[in-house]
Order: sequence, then structure tokens, then C-alpha cells
Amino acid sequence: DAMVIQNPRYQVTQFGKPVTLSCSQTLNHNVMYWYQQKSSQAPKLLFHYYDKDFNNEADTPDNFQSRRPNTSFCFLDIRSPGLGDAAMYLCATSRDSAGRTEAFFGQGTRLTVV
Amino acid sequence: AQSVTQLDSQVPVFEEAPVELRCNYSSSVSVYLFWYVQYPNQGLQLLLKYLSGSTLVKGINGFEAEFNKSQTSFHLRKPSVHISDTAEYFCAVTPRGRAAGNKLTFGGGTRVLVKP
Repeated sequence: DAMVIQNPRYQVTQFGKPVTLSCSQTLNHNVMYWYQQKSSQAPKLLFHYYDKDFNNEADTPDNFQSRRPNTSFCFLDIRSPGLGDAAMYLCATSRDSAGRTEAFFGQGTRLTVV
Repeated sequence: AQSVTQLDSQVPVFEEAPVELRCNYSSSVSVYLFWYVQYPNQGLQLLLKYLSGSTLVKGINGFEAEFNKSQTSFHLRKPSVHISDTAEYFCAVTPRGRAAGNKLTFGGGTRVLVKP
């Protein structure tokens, strides 16, 4: 049974047109993360929520925003996608923010910008 | 800050042969270490992790890894690979301690191609 679900799996958007990716979890975990993984590169953390507390990474562009309306859902908003934002976007969750806690990943959303 | 280096970007290997994927890390603080596997167009799945204790860690699918503190390494091994092990493998670290936040820093990945 899928525990971290990302929708859609594949998303095509136009250059400059806002797009939203969604993530839901059935684990009731406190922490949710968004990673960006460009082709043949390692995943890179964009930001995370601990409950309702939003934590942005220092080098995450302002073009990327996130919302977490409740424990189960988290959204990634890209306000004006550029060609360089084409990537796989991975959502992950963990029970808490202790380093030893396992992170569970969704299957990812592959974003194409045309 | 942490950094992770995976020394091989691609490793071709024949079915039933052993494989070793190398990982070295650098950190100013103590870290936990992880190996994840990513199958094509899929998310990441945890293979194994080192938290403390025995430096030899066994994971799923017959993989194991050995933590070497003096060499700051965490190499992954499997004695006999299957076609289904074809995937990309990521080594990752996260700082120890609750206040540090469970934020994974990944290496660049090693693509394993198992040939019949």
C-alpha cells in the first residue's frame, strides 16, 4: 500500500505558467519534505515542514513555494516555471526531525516545461 | 555542512558477480549514514542505514555496508547481483541529533547496470 502518494506522476506545463504538485501521506508523520532531482543528479532539498512550521533551504529560489494545509497534504507551487525547473520532484515524510528517523519517499512527479 | 562523494558514476557488472559501490563523506559534525536505491522513474527506497553500534550493517535485498570512521567511508556491497538490481544507488548523510533536522545530503549517485 502506497504511504506517500504524489500526483500527478507526470506533469507538463508551459514556460511561465504556474503549476502545483501535490503530495499526500497516510503515515501521520510530522515532517514533510520536497526534493528536486534534475536529470542524472542527486536529490536536493528545497524545503520542509515540521507540522505547520515551514523551513526553507537558503538556496531555494523564490519561485518555489509550499503549502501544508493539514498533516496529510503538502503542495509544491512553482510560480513561473522556467526550462531549468524541469526535474523529478520528490516528496518525503518522516515521523520526526531526528536524523536517525527514516524518510519515506513518494514515487515522484516528473515535471516537463515546454 | 556535509558533503558526500560517490566515486563511481556507473558500475557495469555481470549477473551473479559481486559489486561494491564506494561512498565517502565529509562533515564537521557526527552523521548518520544511509544508502537508498532508485529504480527508473521511481522514488527512493531505503536499503540500509548506520546509526550506531556494529560497523557492518545489513539491509534489504542482500545488501550490506561497512562504516569506516577513520576513512569516512560507507561502502555498499552485494556478493551476487541479480538483473533486478539494475538501478541507481545513492549514499546520503544527515546530522546526528534532534535539533539538526532530518535533512538528507546525497551523493551524486552510482548507476548499476547488471548484464546477463
